[in-house]
Amino acid sequence: QVQLVQSGAEVKKPGASVRVSCKASGYAFTKNGIIWVRQARGQGLEWMGWISASTGDTKYAQKIQGRVTMTRDTSTSTAYMELRSLTSDDTAVYYCARPKNTVTDDTFDIWGQGTMVTVSA
Amino acid sequence: DIQMTQSPSSLSASVGDRVTITCRASETIGRYLNWYQHKPGKAPNLLIYAALSLQTGVPSRFSGSGSGTDFTLTISSLQPEDFATYICQQSYASPYTFGQGTKLEIK
Repeated sequence: QVQLVQSGAEVKKPGASVRVSCKASGYAFTKNGIIWVRQARGQGLEWMGWISASTGDTKYAQKIQGRVTMTRDTSTSTAYMELRSLTSDDTAVYYCARPKNTVTDDTFDIWGQGTMVTVSA
Repeated sequence: DIQMTQSPSSLSASVGDRVTITCRASETIGRYLNWYQHKPGKAPNLLIYAALSLQTGVPSRFSGSGSGTDFTLTISSLQPEDFATYICQQSYASPYTFGQGTKLEIK
């Protein structure tokens, strides 16, 4: 079936970087993009950005621009999100998701299971 | 960024009840509004897209309405598996923003 499977939980120290992976299966990976969303404890969902799985084009939220890089490997149908210069404010569950349509990137019908990233000294 | 405000933030109801949740956008977004169901430890699940279209596989007791700035999600007859958090999301303009969620609890 169509699914996204994310990498496991991470614990990082302030100032470090984290990379979360998202492996797609059950559909043609390059037909859709991948978006990343995070949710800090007690907070709402926050859209972080999007990557085109076919071209690698990216679009990032202004709040984290400069600290985030989204990439993809079409040979393994895997998307990656790297976040640098981590602070405690980055402690959150990180989700990847697939846009429902192949043309637009605004509605998300398949989600990964989430990856907990904890930033702590 | 477009701000999305949901009300109420939490709601207690019983199995069989009809429930309505409201979402308001800080500016007009046409019908570019989605609803998700989110259970603890699980991935969010798309219920309604484009304000009133039911996602494939979602029970027909879920329905959406509204346009412009005001939207509603209605569950016509609550089932035990419906107790969860419901989240709206505007798909009108990037960055795509989400409401804070409405937690639906068992009375």
